[in-house]
Amino acid sequence: DAMVIQNPRYQVTQFGKPVTLSCSQTLNHNVMYWYQQKSSQAPKLLFHYYDKDFNNEADTPDNFQSRRPNTSFCFLDIRSPGLGDTAMYLCATSRSPTGSSYEQYFGPGTRLTVT
Amino acid sequence: AQKVTQAQTEISVVEKEDVTLDCVYETRDTTYYLFWYKQPPSGELVFLIRRNSFDEQNEISGRYSWNFQKSTSSFNFTITASQVVDSAVYFCALSEARTGNQFYFGTGTSLTVIP
Repeated sequence: DAMVIQNPRYQVTQFGKPVTLSCSQTLNHNVMYWYQQKSSQAPKLLFHYYDKDFNNEADTPDNFQSRRPNTSFCFLDIRSPGLGDTAMYLCATSRSPTGSSYEQYFGPGTRLTVT
Repeated sequence: AQKVTQAQTEISVVEKEDVTLDCVYETRDTTYYLFWYKQPPSGELVFLIRRNSFDEQNEISGRYSWNFQKSTSSFNFTITASQVVDSAVYFCALSEARTGNQFYFGTGTSLTVIP
């Protein structure tokens, strides 16, 4: 039944140690998103893929990278995590929004703690 | 400028009371979409409703109802006969057709239903 799956659900990493978060989907949606959500804040879009086209938000730090090897999978790489990167990371998917906008379906998130 | 405003940061109600969560949006586009999401303590954002700017009909789904008023740029959400399971953070979001991938989230309203 799970449609958007994220692994791991919880991740603790040390300052500066690279970490990769993964997301997979069974919805066959064209668009995949990565959000960062800090405590008591709204989700903040980091980037999204429209098929294989990568779209980076202007204020997303260079420290954050992403890969989408196929339709189903997307990865978030944090090259050198800082303490300020402690947050929930949410993956979402949607249908192609050409001329419209469709609801996004979210995964359960990965809670990342940087120590 | 904030495109979506949820002025109520926290609300507490006693079980079985009705509660309305306010959402005010700002856009110059004539075609846009409004969404509500629920985020329970587990963290996953759950899609509740999508409404396009041309459809001002109010919608009811069980104990949930939504009041869309273009004249006041509001898309309010009412929970009737609230239950403890309704306790969550609720986010309102806006998407404009010309930038369909971009969701503008409000800051969320934390609802606590007291048994």
